[in-house]
Amino acid sequence: QQQVKQSPQSLIVQKGGISIINCAYENTAFDYFPWYQQFPGKGPALLIAIRPDVSEKKEGRFTISFNKSAKQFSLHIMDSQPGDSATYFCAASMTRTALIFGKGTTLSVSS
Amino acid sequence: DTGVSQDPRHKITKRGQNVTFRCDPISEHNRLYWYRQTLGQGPEFLTYFQNEAQLEKSRLLSDRFSAERPKGSFSTLEIQRTEQGDSAMYLCASSFGVWGGSSYNSPLHFGNGTRLTVT
Repeated sequence: QQQVKQSPQSLIVQKGGISIINCAYENTAFDYFPWYQQFPGKGPALLIAIRPDVSEKKEGRFTISFNKSAKQFSLHIMDSQPGDSATYFCAASMTRTALIFGKGTTLSVSS
Repeated sequence: DTGVSQDPRHKITKRGQNVTFRCDPISEHNRLYWYRQTLGQGPEFLTYFQNEAQLEKSRLLSDRFSAERPKGSFSTLEIQRTEQGDSAMYLCASSFGVWGGSSYNSPLHFGNGTRLTVT
């Protein structure tokens, strides 16, 4: 049973465009929702995270939108750049448990 | 703070051999995690330590896998009698957290992994 479902699997966006990646979760006890960015040959790196008592969090060009009733959250990358080309993972956890990751979205930003 | 360090970066072994990987967490971090990542998939949780105590193990962690964290510092992950299905990237992560505290305040920092190829 996959607890965190991520879509799309891959995404191609023009430079300057908006990249949107979606995640849906099942366990209402989750209380932490991070997004990680991974480049080839590297480990995942934390990009931005949100708690369920907040509907939106913005850090620079990256925004998480959180919909608790729909059990969904999404990552928006504004003004996408070629350097943003990477694999993005959503994840979720609850207190005292390990992070559960989605299957990832490969983003390609074309110049 | 030099980040999470993993050794070796790559390991090629023959089926049936034993392998051991090492992880050195960020020095002030008390929590250490092992994850496994196969091509095109997200990291899958294997096991977790708080200081030297192994607090959680995934069902993915078969009897051939064992992890230790002596003295609550570095950790080792050993795979005995390797199988081709063990080929993956093994990721270590660390964080600092208090018991019962929110994960929001103790984000995971990952190393760059050890890529295992079993032939």
